Amino acid sequence: GENVGLHLPTLSVQEGDNSIINCAYSNSASDYFIWYKQESGKGPQFIIDIRSNMDKRQGQRVTVLLNKTVKHLSLQIAATQPGDSAVYFCAETLAMDSSYKLIFGSGTRLLVRP
Amino acid sequence: GAVVSQHPSRVICKSGTSVKIECRSLDFQATTMFWYRQFPKQSLMLMATSNEGSKATYEQGVEKDKFLINHASLTLSTLTVTSAHPEDSSFYICSARVAGLGGNIQYFGAGTRLSVL
Repeated sequence: GENVGLHLPTLSVQEGDNSIINCAYSNSASDYFIWYKQESGKGPQFIIDIRSNMDKRQGQRVTVLLNKTVKHLSLQIAATQPGDSAVYFCAETLAMDSSYKLIFGSGTRLLVRP
Repeated sequence: GAVVSQHPSRVICKSGTSVKIECRSLDFQATTMFWYRQFPKQSLMLMATSNEGSKATYEQGVEKDKFLINHASLTLSTLTVTSAHPEDSSFYICSARVAGLGGNIQYFGAGTRLSVL
């Protein structure tokens, strides 16, 4: 099947800086995307989602950008904090897919330096 | 967000025994739940889709008789690893589907670490 992939397996940032985590997806038919955060030994936690009819969506300290032309998704975290250290996964799906399956990317580990 | 409870968080068992993992949606009804398996430093691999009141849909390569799924109510799905062997040791995670603004969001349980001796 098609995969959602990530450019960087590990990202190290200084506390207080902004973080940008990237994701490339291959299924041009995907129209709904979700970012999850997974801390060590825990299940993934929903962060933010975006539909394909949007280019940008903002949450609390996080922004997701979608570029459908190049099939690229990014998660921006403002003023990165130690608590942001985790593995981040993007996931794609078809909103009208009756199976409701999510296809997960390989993940990016974010390390926040004090 | 919606709360999904998964139990137990950790289980250690002997080879050949069966282990049951429970996944509950605490504040909502979930007609569809999902079971994933995750190896260290890897992404989530979908094992099966659990549908309330009907048989689960398994992904290719996942043994139905090995991983028994029951979704008897709108708030509970169980995964039973039958005759567990060391190669079944892994992190198992469940999720429940909630219709969101743009589509269907999956909320995840905390996961179950299975260690088979």
